[in-house]
Amino acid sequence: NAGVTQTPKFQVLKTGQSMTLQCAQDMNHEYMSWYRQDPGMGLRLIHYSVGAGITDQGEVPNGYNVSRSTTEDFPLRLLSAAPSQTSVYFCASSYAGGTEAFFGQGTRLTVV
Amino acid sequence: RKEVEQDPGPFNVPEGATVAFNCTYSNSASQSFFWYRQDCRKEPKLLMSVYSSGNEDGRFTAQLNRASQYISLLIRDSKLSDSATYLCVVNKNRDDKIIFGKGTRLHILP
Repeated sequence: NAGVTQTPKFQVLKTGQSMTLQCAQDMNHEYMSWYRQDPGMGLRLIHYSVGAGITDQGEVPNGYNVSRSTTEDFPLRLLSAAPSQTSVYFCASSYAGGTEAFFGQGTRLTVV
Repeated sequence: RKEVEQDPGPFNVPEGATVAFNCTYSNSASQSFFWYRQDCRKEPKLLMSVYSSGNEDGRFTAQLNRASQYISLLIRDSKLSDSATYLCVVNKNRDDKIIFGKGTRLHILP
């Protein structure tokens, strides 16, 4: 059982480049979310989705786009990478907002 | 006031001791509460849910105080392997965002 799969695990981008972080889950979870984690800042919610076709902003959405065309996939797009977006990104899924969240292994992104 | 607040620590505790952390939340309508554990450079994983009546899982006890709006985690007979960051999670309802506290770092000393 794969659970939540994030790709890539590591990425280096140049300032201004765009890229998409992939997240897929095979648990038929309705709820998916993206977090970034920086030293001393904990996990900060970027965007979340309560089902296919529905997305909403979290605490730090600027500079990121998401879409949810299927239940399984929830990609995160960086439109124009900035050094401030250097971080570890985690995707998570859960049956619903108030249930256990399962996390992917994270993507370590460096923007130079 | 932040939605979820935790003392970042670190808590440096000798092996075998008892340690407790609290997590305060600002939204009185919050319904679901959890403790997660995160090891260095790993993803968070659920440690335990927090129920209104409190719950215990081996050496770990979680409690909810709705009146004062905080949850607590107590670890008894601490082990070296308990060294990690403990994150509290609060959620209002199934369609609401899941907010994590910044975490409390725990170091168990031999």
